[in-house]
This record gives sequence, structure tokens and C-alpha cells, in this order.
Amino acid sequence: DAKTTQPPSMDCAEGRAANLPCNHSTISGNEYVYWYRQIHSQGPQYIIHGLKNNETNEMASLIITEDRKSSTLILPHATLRDTAVYYCIVRVVRAGNQFYFGTGTSLTVIP
Amino acid sequence: GAVVSQHPSWVICKSGTSVKIECRSLDFQATTMFWYRQFPKQSLMLMATSNEGSKATYEQGVEKDKFLINHASLTLSTLTVTSAHPEDSSFYICSAGHRGSGTGELFFGEGSRLTVL
Repeated sequence: DAKTTQPPSMDCAEGRAANLPCNHSTISGNEYVYWYRQIHSQGPQYIIHGLKNNETNEMASLIITEDRKSSTLILPHATLRDTAVYYCIVRVVRAGNQFYFGTGTSLTVIP
Repeated sequence: GAVVSQHPSWVICKSGTSVKIECRSLDFQATTMFWYRQFPKQSLMLMATSNEGSKATYEQGVEKDKFLINHASLTLSTLTVTSAHPEDSSFYICSAGHRGSGTGELFFGEGSRLTVL
């Protein structure tokens, strides 16, 4: 699976959009981009995933560049409860295929 | 969404004893489950892939005789930390994929915090 690079930490003001970047320059054509987050001392929570088109759900939006070498997770109106570590993972969708976590981005939402 | 539950959520044991952690998929069948370990301020590290009805596949550097994994049914996988020592103290997290989801995401348990005295 392709490796990802994320900034170690970011701050965001409450109510503003949080834009979390991820670099996956070695991604292959059949690998999806997944985003998870982990609030302190809990299991990771699925946020969103995509292949090449931009995606949006009730939690966030995922913007993938045309060359697929990078992506951005957008939390449109960050709240204090969005403070967490956010992980970007690329992986082939195949039954039994593992998820390998990188170091992630620690997002702090500031009141 | 699919629910994965772990038990116990926290456990304290004496050095040299064995501890079993259960991981259950509550509303779906999981032919494959994954076990992770997480030390403070670090990322999740994949330990092993648990396959229903067959032997687990361990990641490089993970001792299979130390961390026994059993996946006896489509809804239950167990991780046994044998002869635990203080360095085994960690946050253990399991996950499973929903065969019918079509999206490939993994669902994670709440985690089990092990403290070895």
C-alpha cells in the first residue's frame, strides 16, 4: 500500500473550516483514499473515502487532486468535538486487505 | 453503521499472567479481523490479521507465541497476551470489515487498555 504524508499538527478556530492535507504521491490506480479520526483513548472512526472524484457526506468533504497524488479532508464548520488525530490511508479495496496507519495529523479546534 | 465491540475495555494484571481480549462484530459477519496495538502518543501498529477458521497472519516483529489469536467464528476473534510483562502495557484495538458494505472500510472497536504491573 502507498505511504502517506501528513503534517503532524494543525489548529483551527471553532466554527471555521478545517482543511487537512495528505500527500500520497505513490498511489496506484486501484488504491482508494480513506480518512479516519481517533479521539483520545477511543477506536478510530471512519470519516470518508474516495477513489478519484470528490466526495461529501454528513461529516466531511474529500477533495482529491486530478493526478490523485494528494487529497484534502475538509471539516466545514469545526467544533471542539472535532479535536482528534486524523489519519489518511491509501489502500486497495479487497477483502481481508489491511489498513496501515501513518502518523496522522493532530487537529486542535480552538474556542 | 456496523458495530465492533471489545471486552474488556480495560484490564490490569500482574506480570507473568495471561490476558484475553475479545472482539465481536455485533451485527455483521467478519471473515477477517485485524488487531492493532497503540502506545501513548503513537499511531496504531498492525499486529496481525485474524482469519476465521485458519491461522492468523502476524506482522513482522510480532511474536505469534506471545500474542495468541483465535478466530473461531464469523463474529468473534480473541487476542491472548501470554505471560504479560509491563512492556506489553498498551491500548489494543480490533477491527473488522463488513463483507456486504462494498466500500471496504474497516469498523473499529472501542479499544482495550492493558496495564501490566
